[in-house]
Amino acid sequence: DVKVTQSSRYLVKRTGEKVFLECVQDMDHENMFWYRQDPGLGLRLIYFSYDVKMKEKGDIPEGYSVSREKKERFSLILESASTNQTSMYLCASSSRTGWNFGPGTRLTVT
Amino acid sequence: KQEVTQIPAALSVPEGENLVLNCSFTDSAIYNLQWFRQDPGKGLTSLLLIQSSQREQTSGRLNASLDKSSGRSTLYIAASQPGDSATYLCAVSENRDDKIIFGKGTRLHILP
Repeated sequence: DVKVTQSSRYLVKRTGEKVFLECVQDMDHENMFWYRQDPGLGLRLIYFSYDVKMKEKGDIPEGYSVSREKKERFSLILESASTNQTSMYLCASSSRTGWNFGPGTRLTVT
Repeated sequence: KQEVTQIPAALSVPEGENLVLNCSFTDSAIYNLQWFRQDPGKGLTSLLLIQSSQREQTSGRLNASLDKSSGRSTLYIAASQPGDSATYLCAVSENRDDKIIFGKGTRLHILP
């Protein structure tokens, strides 16, 4: 089974901190994605990547950046965390046979 | 712009009943459609993937159908159980390597 792991299940950070969310997949998938999920808004795409060192903006990239130095790892960076970035963050990887999601990181910014 | 809609937003049914969850999408030019399950506070689990050339997929008590021309998919759950309680999300992909667009989900509660 494809395994997508995320570095933390729960994270509490202060406003203005730089936050790193790490995602690792073990199936050699080319495509990786970061979503955030909020009540009433559903899942919204932040950034995605089709290859190493490649990144594309999703629907809500403002306030975020990403890094993909290795194929298996896709990092989401909050340069200066704000309270409106409190959310559930979900990482995913994909192949032609479907998508696989990580367990999610619930981030609270205080 | 592709939009995915799931109705109803929430559904409660007694245990043992068969039920249908609905998904519609605005642009029929899709590559595939997936149904996911999400338990509270958890990530998403893929249930069924239907390629654009297929009409349906089955896994155990689950059956998903796809009608591309009308922009609709249904997820049929037979003999529902309390363990089926979760949020079910429908998502479409427009290209092989493209991002997928999610509906907002149907929150299902099976009453014991």
